[in-house]
Amino acid sequence: SQKIEQNSEALNIQEGKTATLTCNYTNYSPAYLQWYRQDPGRGPVFLLLIRENEKEKRKERLKVTFDTTLKQSLFHITASQPADSATYLCALDDSSYKLIFGSGTRLLVRP
Amino acid sequence: GAVVSQHPSWVICKSGTSVKIECRSLDFQATTMFWYRQFPKQSLMLMATSNEGSKATYEQGVEKDKFLINHASLTLSTLTVTSAHPEDSSFYICSASGTGVGNTIYFGEGSWLTVV
Repeated sequence: SQKIEQNSEALNIQEGKTATLTCNYTNYSPAYLQWYRQDPGRGPVFLLLIRENEKEKRKERLKVTFDTTLKQSLFHITASQPADSATYLCALDDSSYKLIFGSGTRLLVRP
Repeated sequence: GAVVSQHPSWVICKSGTSVKIECRSLDFQATTMFWYRQFPKQSLMLMATSNEGSKATYEQGVEKDKFLINHASLTLSTLTVTSAHPEDSSFYICSASGTGVGNTIYFGEGSWLTVV
């Protein structure tokens, strides 16, 4: 069956450290993968999109990698801040322009 | 970035009544809109995809007669929850894609529905 897996346990890190979140998928062949941030009670906010032919994408303190062989994407936040605390969702297209979401990983950055 | 607005942000309705949620793209033409439902601490589950001017395509297990979706214009889609029951209480989120925004899909702020 098709699955997108994100670590359901919260990631708790100290301010200033790098947060690394993982997204694994099975039985999909996405053309691209996206990462979103969701705050409690709010809709998701788009962060980054990485295409299947791209290994890495950066935006300010954010970095995303995409390994289509491992079927895995890693999402990094460097120099993390308490304001980065949120749930981060990965999503991929199922080749029909629909986005399928992982369950998200909650990040807590301690001051 | 592009803006997608949902209204209302939250609504409480009595069991058995119907409630309508609107989703508007404010600064682009949304050729496709998606409706999601999210229960607490769970992921977004796609309910249906609607293209402007045509009938929505519902995901497996979603009752089309219960969740009526209309996408009559390039800037507005509506979701009507008919004969609502307490188990329909959830966070409903729309997203939109369209001309001028590439592959990016923009999400609304979501609508909290509580059925009492």
